[in-house]
Amino acid sequence: AQSVTQLDSHVSVSEGTPVLLRCNYSSSYSPSLFWYVQHPNKGLQLLLKYTSAATLVKGINGFEAEFKKSETSFHLTKPSAHMSDAAEYFCVVRLSGGSYIPTFGRGTSLIVHP
Amino acid sequence: ETGVTQSPTHLIKTRGQQVTLRCSSQSGHNTVSWYQQALGQGPQFIFQYYREEENGRGNFPPRFSGLQFPNYSSELNVNALELDDSALYLCASSPGTSGSHQETQYFGPGTRLLVL
Repeated sequence: AQSVTQLDSHVSVSEGTPVLLRCNYSSSYSPSLFWYVQHPNKGLQLLLKYTSAATLVKGINGFEAEFKKSETSFHLTKPSAHMSDAAEYFCVVRLSGGSYIPTFGRGTSLIVHP
Repeated sequence: ETGVTQSPTHLIKTRGQQVTLRCSSQSGHNTVSWYQQALGQGPQFIFQYYREEENGRGNFPPRFSGLQFPNYSSELNVNALELDDSALYLCASSPGTSGSHQETQYFGPGTRLLVL
């Protein structure tokens, strides 16, 4: 079985300050992990993905995430928030063995204050 | 390169009716997945089609069914609509190594369904 937990339903930051969105997963197999962003009335856009290569993954728009197997975490970070980063963020897990069906977290709403 | 498109953008139905949602996959993609996203929730996997065959299904009843056509476009059909079926329905396409856990999915903007 697989599951993913996004630890915060809302994260509020000021423009120019760092962003941390937390994601923990559980799986019986080696996972692939993804972060997607969803702007209002838009589809989901891939930010980055981990597929058992480098544990530090760089994505688009300055985002990055680090896969930590010992902590079963895949937290998303950005050094400096921009107003345009305000959106809903989803962490997703897929397994290499057994079911490949993706499991989404409940989402974290990022609020950026000027 | 054309992205994933979905139609219609919005739809209102009444309980008990049937609905068909449509998706055109990104050029060169032969795998399509459908998701249901209830308000305030993450998307939930409904099913996936690879080269016109269903090859994976989430925890949804049989009244949710689908088709994939030779051009890899797809339909999601929902029969006997219930109030809880109100949601954003998302379609995603991918290049199509069937079931690959590493594959990136490209999402359409969704169809928002309201069941009254």
